[in-house]
Amino acid sequence: NAGVTQTPKFRILKIGQSMTLQCAQDMNHNYMYWYRQDPGMGLKLIYYSVGAGITDKGEVPNGYNVSRSTTEYFPLRLELAAPSQTSVYFCASRWGSRGGQETQYFGPGTRLLVL
Amino acid sequence: GENVEQHPSTLSVQEGDSAVIKCTYSDSASNYFPWYKQELGKGPQLIIDIRSNVGEKKDQRIAVTLNKTAKHFSLHITETQPEDSAVYFCAATDRGSTLGRLYFGRGTQLTVWP
Repeated sequence: NAGVTQTPKFRILKIGQSMTLQCAQDMNHNYMYWYRQDPGMGLKLIYYSVGAGITDKGEVPNGYNVSRSTTEYFPLRLELAAPSQTSVYFCASRWGSRGGQETQYFGPGTRLLVL
Repeated sequence: GENVEQHPSTLSVQEGDSAVIKCTYSDSASNYFPWYKQELGKGPQLIIDIRSNVGEKKDQRIAVTLNKTAKHFSLHITETQPEDSAVYFCAATDRGSTLGRLYFGRGTQLTVWP
């Protein structure tokens, strides 16, 4: 298993540009998450999905959108990039139900710089 | 929501010494506490976890303790080695919640000097 994969590894965007961060997992996990990590801070939840076709906002969703058409893929869309979106983005997944397996598996991250 | 505080933010130890990282949480409903290690340029990786029905768990040189009454939990690394150098994150969650999201501390940069 490749686990959780993310592309690209690094990207520089100009203010106002758009891009999609790709995330894929081959573990048949139902839950998927997008986090951002800023220097000296923990990971903040952007969006999450409990299964194909179901997504919801986390604590910092503004400026982002997601879709989950299949179990494997969970892309994160940035519209009108702003300097405040400069961060490292992590995708994670887990298999779970209420009270079930909690371990989240993280991808290697995408480093985004908005200038 | 849950608030997780982590201390210290940086920790330097000599190889062979022990390292302790402490976290507190605010939500008494939290009952699962994982610790993640993040090496430079990589995503966080689970190293150990503990559930609220136990007070301590060990895995070779790593141990985690939990005090539910005081709402704090700690990571203990003994006989530290240079390859233990990384950022360590504590987290908390309620296993009974549908979302199962993790609330992370801000991280501790551990440096082990040879």
